[in-house]
Amino acid sequence: QSVLTQPPSVSGAPGQRVTISCTGSSSNIGASYDVNWYQHLPGTAPKLLIFGNNNRPSGVPDRFSGSKSGTSASLAISGLQAEDEADYYCQSYDSSLSGWVFGAGTKLTVL
Amino acid sequence: QVQLVESGGGVVQPGRSLRLSCAASGFTLSNHGMNWVRQAPGKGLEWVAIIWDDGSHKYYGDSVKGRFTISRDSSKNTLYLQMNSLRAEDTAMYYCARHRGSATSGWADFWGQGTLVTVSS
Repeated sequence: QSVLTQPPSVSGAPGQRVTISCTGSSSNIGASYDVNWYQHLPGTAPKLLIFGNNNRPSGVPDRFSGSKSGTSASLAISGLQAEDEADYYCQSYDSSLSGWVFGAGTKLTVL
Repeated sequence: QVQLVESGGGVVQPGRSLRLSCAASGFTLSNHGMNWVRQAPGKGLEWVAIIWDDGSHKYYGDSVKGRFTISRDSSKNTLYLQMNSLRAEDTAMYYCARHRGSATSGWADFWGQGTLVTVSS
């Protein structure tokens, strides 16, 4: 199983707000390593959504926001749109593995 | 603009080798750390390897350590992943991704479209 724990799926109606959690441990998120978030549509290149816990790259709408506290992080998506339907992954660094770790991914369904 | 194009995937028998390439354009590969990340069918993303920007350090995920080697050719602006002793569980889409930030708190800001590796007899 993945080092970072995410819910397998979340859903929401257009215009609503959803959050995706990412829970780690004392060797990754809890060790103050940053959390990053990616959006992935099957068959395409993953896209960076949030870096450094709460920073958006240029071009990412402010409907996407990130936060981190203790051993967990969250991605919030407000004003849901049909185009937001995708898989979302959190990523951090793990000191015991000396490398990146990902969550198992969360499938967002826009109802 | 930044572009990463992977190639070299295909069907290979267990125990054999394969070398993946990732051609970079729009930036100088040797100025950035670079990662390989894979996604097995129906599974999530898994980090495979990183090479630091100065090439001084290379690190690998536990599942590929001792079998895979990451390298680059600055003259060709190309990243490689040499995969030896392939196993069925190495079947996946392999992505190269540009590293940003520190070695420990970094992220991938650009990804390629991926190349598919299938290990099967």
